[in-house]
Amino acid sequence: GAVVSQHPSWVICKSGTSVKIECRSLDFQATTMFWYRQFPKQSLMLMATSNEGSKATYEQGVEKDKFLINHASLTLSTLTVTSAHPEDSSFYICSARTPAGGVYEQYFGPGTRLTVT
Amino acid sequence: AQKITQTQPGMFVQEKEAVTLDCTYDTSDPSYGLFWYKQPSSGEMIFLIYQGSYDQQNATEGRYSLNFQKARKSANLVISASQLGDSAMYFCAMREPNTGNQFYFGTGTSLTVIP
Repeated sequence: GAVVSQHPSWVICKSGTSVKIECRSLDFQATTMFWYRQFPKQSLMLMATSNEGSKATYEQGVEKDKFLINHASLTLSTLTVTSAHPEDSSFYICSARTPAGGVYEQYFGPGTRLTVT
Repeated sequence: AQKITQTQPGMFVQEKEAVTLDCTYDTSDPSYGLFWYKQPSSGEMIFLIYQGSYDQQNATEGRYSLNFQKARKSANLVISASQLGDSAMYFCAMREPNTGNQFYFGTGTSLTVIP
């Protein structure tokens, strides 16, 4: 199946700094990418949907100025957590969707574990 | 209202036995897709099985089968012949075309396989 990578797989940063997480579709072009956040022992919560070349659509309650999403190419989307705080510590997962259609066209990355100290 | 409901926070099953993980869903869209994912402790989401709303037969993938009861809006996952490696979180999810094909996830069920 298609492969989606995320980098870094884990990161520790100090409070007040910014962290960038990359999501890449390795063998297909992803017209749409989704960013999820998962707190320990909880479900995945959709944060935003990004379409290549346009602004991301954020879910209610997600601060767009804090979680900057850029989908500059068909194979790369980035999530930047700005001025990170300990409450931003979470597991961030991206998924990428191909334009080809079909039921298997959305693939998840392996996730990035962010710890803010 | 919750789109996806998983009422079993944790389940235990004896190795080699079968186990059913419950999932109910809520939608008014006639076209939708139902998915099950496995999430081991490493965190990656592993696709297991898919059921389309118009599919006449229950989906099966190896040891996984989906017990699709459309009238009851349930999509239970059945794992046969459980293995120790099946211990993980299991998430039921739904995708609807009229909401941009985003996934709605349930709260998950933690499955522990006992040797």
